[in-house]
This record gives sequence, structure tokens and C-alpha cells, in this order.
Amino acid sequence: AQTVTQSQPEMSVQEAETVTLSCTYDTSESDYYLFWYKQPPSRQMILVIRQEAYKQQNATENRFSVNFQKAAKSFSLKISDSQLGDAAMYFCAYRSGNFGNEKLTFGTGTRLTIIP
Amino acid sequence: NAGVTQTPKFRVLKTGQSMTLLCAQDMNHEYMYWYRQDPGMGLRLIHYSVGEGTTAKGEVPDGYNVSRLKKQNFLLGLESAAPSQTSVYFCASSKLASTETQYFGPGTRLLVL
Repeated sequence: AQTVTQSQPEMSVQEAETVTLSCTYDTSESDYYLFWYKQPPSRQMILVIRQEAYKQQNATENRFSVNFQKAAKSFSLKISDSQLGDAAMYFCAYRSGNFGNEKLTFGTGTRLTIIP
Repeated sequence: NAGVTQTPKFRVLKTGQSMTLLCAQDMNHEYMYWYRQDPGMGLRLIHYSVGEGTTAKGEVPDGYNVSRLKKQNFLLGLESAAPSQTSVYFCASSKLASTETQYFGPGTRLLVL
């Protein structure tokens, strides 16, 4: 079974600075997808960024980028130029690329605080 | 385009009562999912559906039933609520499995006394 581990329950960063959230996962599969979701106080789960395991290039979305290390099974999220609106819980998630294995496996989350 | 919506937003039940949570999506997605989120844990999959008229069990299906009579709707039922079912419930949908991103609704907070 796949597992996702987020070892940082809480992180804080000064506004406009850069912060990196860690995620590691365990799988024996070669085809899979990794995601970072943001959950603000409104509780809505919002997709931040997605990475396909077969792609060597790290995904980027504006101020958000990932460092995907497939051999190390590591998938960290870097937030540049942090803004107050970035304050939220961040969840790392894994999804198998195999048909019939439909679920997202989530980590326990990292609460990010932005210091003005 | 409302995306994924959930009804109700909040509900209080007494032990043994029943209720149905409604999830609706207007994106013509084939796949729909129900998750629960408990404190200190990530979301866990309860049931999912790969298309109209189909349902399948997820990671934590006990105590719940689901139905997908229409493509756009996915219902989650609790026949006899228990305090252990106090949680926040999220519905999600995706165009296809595995290769597509799941989009989430705003959540339903359920308290079982």
C-alpha cells in the first residue's frame, strides 16, 4: 500500500520570503501522480500543483514549484514570495497510475502560517 | 459553472438517525468520490463511482452507502449515524481516473451526538 508522509505539522514564513514544505512517499509502482492541495480556513480543497512521475521536469505554477526526486521518493513544495493568502493547510497526495486504483492517498498536512 | 457543490454545509445528528449528503457537479465528470477528513489525518476515501449507475468501496466504507443515479449527482447515506462518523465530508469529481485531477467541493461538517 502506498503511504504519504509530511513530517512538518507546522511551518511559518515571513511575508515575501520563500518556504519549502516536505513530502515523502512510499510506493512500488512506476506510474503515478503527485499533488499538492491547499486547504484554507474555508475548508475548500484547492489544487496547487500536480506532477506526473514519468516527467523529469519539475512542475511550476506561478510562485509554486516542486522538487520531485523520484529515486528518493521525495516531493517538496516551494512557495516563493509568500503572501498572506498562502496561509492554509497544505496536503501532499499520491495517486496510482494503474486503472482500478482510484483513490488519492493523502499525507497528514502541514499548517503554513505567514508572518506579516 | 459552479464546479462541485455539497448540501448541506453543516448538520447535527443524534446517534441512530439517518441522513443523506448530496454532491453535485456540473463539469460532466465521469468519476465522483466521497472522502472524510478527521483531525490530524489526511482525507480518506469512503466510496467512489466511475460512472452513472456504478459505485465501489474505498478505504473506509463501513457505515455508509452511496448511489449514483444521475451522472451529475453522488449521494452519501448514513443509515444509523454513530459518533465515530463525526467528521468533515468532502466530495470530489474528476474527468477520468488516474490521469486527471480531482476537484473538491466545499465540504460538509457533520456532528453526531
